Amino acid sequence: AQTVTQSQPEMSVQEAETVTLSCTYDTSESDYYLFWYKQPPSRQMILVIRQEAYKQQNATENRFSVNFQKAAKSFSLKISDSQLGDAAMYFCAYSSGAAGNKLTFGGGTRVLVKP
Amino acid sequence: KAGVTQTPRYLIKTRGQQVTLSCSPISGHRSVSWYQQTPGQGLQFLFEYFSETQRNKGNFPGRFSGRQFSNSRSEMNVSTLELGDSALYLCASSLASLGGETQYFGPGTRLLVL
Repeated sequence: AQTVTQSQPEMSVQEAETVTLSCTYDTSESDYYLFWYKQPPSRQMILVIRQEAYKQQNATENRFSVNFQKAAKSFSLKISDSQLGDAAMYFCAYSSGAAGNKLTFGGGTRVLVKP
Repeated sequence: KAGVTQTPRYLIKTRGQQVTLSCSPISGHRSVSWYQQTPGQGLQFLFEYFSETQRNKGNFPGRFSGRQFSNSRSEMNVSTLELGDSALYLCASSLASLGGETQYFGPGTRLLVL
């Protein structure tokens, strides 16, 4: 079974600074996808970024970028120029390419943004 | 396009009762997945429905069941409620069930079992 681990329960960042969230996963599959989701206090899960395992190029989405290290099974998220609105829980998630839309989530990292 | 909607948003039940939660996906989306979120267990996959068929099932007891209608709307049912069923239940929709699809989440239904 696949597992996703987020080792940082909480991270704090100064507004306008950069923060990096760690995620490692365990799988024996070669076809899979990785995601970062944001869950603000409203509890609505919002997709931040998506990465296909077969793509070597790291995904980016505005101020959000990932460092995908396939051999190390690592998928970290970098938030640049942090804004107050970035404060939320961030979840790393894994989806097999062959098992429909089942997402396996990590435990989450709470990001606090200091003004 | 309207997003994923879930009803009701809040629910209070007592042990032993049953509950039905509803999820309406984004228009055109045919896959609906359900997740349970609790402080202790985190986010756990319940099941996925695609074209009215259960595509995937998580590791939950048979008290948890679901179905999908021809218009892609989905319901999940929990029978014989236990205190541990108190959770935020999230529904997510996607276009297809091909693996790796981006899932769009609804606001959730918060269930409290007393």
